[in-house]
Amino acid sequence: DTGVSQDPRHKITKRGQNVTFRCDPISEHNRLYWYRQTLGQGPEFLTYFQNEAQLEKSRLLSDRFSAERPKGSFSTLEIQRTEQGDSAMYLCASSLHRASYNEQFFGPGTRLTVL
Amino acid sequence: EDQVTQSPEALRLQEGESSSLNCSYTVSGLRGLFWYRQDPGKGPEFLFTLYSAGEEKEKERLKATLTKKESFLHITAPKPEDSATYLCAVPSPGGYQKVTFGTGTKLQVIP
Repeated sequence: DTGVSQDPRHKITKRGQNVTFRCDPISEHNRLYWYRQTLGQGPEFLTYFQNEAQLEKSRLLSDRFSAERPKGSFSTLEIQRTEQGDSAMYLCASSLHRASYNEQFFGPGTRLTVL
Repeated sequence: EDQVTQSPEALRLQEGESSSLNCSYTVSGLRGLFWYRQDPGKGPEFLFTLYSAGEEKEKERLKATLTKKESFLHITAPKPEDSATYLCAVPSPGGYQKVTFGTGTKLQVIP
C-alpha cells in the first residue's frame, strides 16, 4: 500500500498523560499536514511541513502540541498533558509540490479518546 | 478569514434520485477548490480539484462545477455505495497550502 499511513489507529488515554502519533506520507511527497477533526465538523488545519521545515502552525496548536518531521520523512505529533477536549480524530495528509496547486491525500487518521 | 459553507447538512435520497450539494465560499483570491468524500471512521478521499470559474470535472456519477462564489457537486442516479459525507475545501492565499474545510454534507442513499 503506497498511501498515507498513521499509527496508532486508536488511542485511549487518561487525562494528563502524553501521547504521540506517527504519520508516514506517500514516499515522494515533500509536504505533510496535520489536521484535527471532531464529530460533525470538517478537518481543521493544525500545522504543515515542507520537507523538514515546519512552515505554518494554527492558533489551535497550543503549547501542549508539538510536531516534528526529522529528515523530511515521517512525522510525529505529540500532545502533552492531554485534556478531554483533545479527544478527536487526528488526520495526516501529504502532497507533492508542483507549480500549480497540489492536492492533499489523507491517511486513515488516529482516533484519540481522553478519559 | 476564509469561510466555507456547505448545504444541506444532510441529504437523504432514494437510489436513482439525482440531486446537488452546494459549497459556497468567501476567500480573498480563490486558488482552487477541492471536493473530498469521507466514509465514517476514515480519512477524506480526494475527488476533484477545480481551479477556475466555469470548470467542470466528472467521475462516475459525480460532477463538480465551479462559479465565482460557489461550487456544486451533482450526483446523478446515486447508488447506496455513494452514501458518505462530502467535504469541500479551499486553500488559503499565500502559498503555504493551508486548507479550510466546510462542515460537509452527509449523504444517505436508500435502496
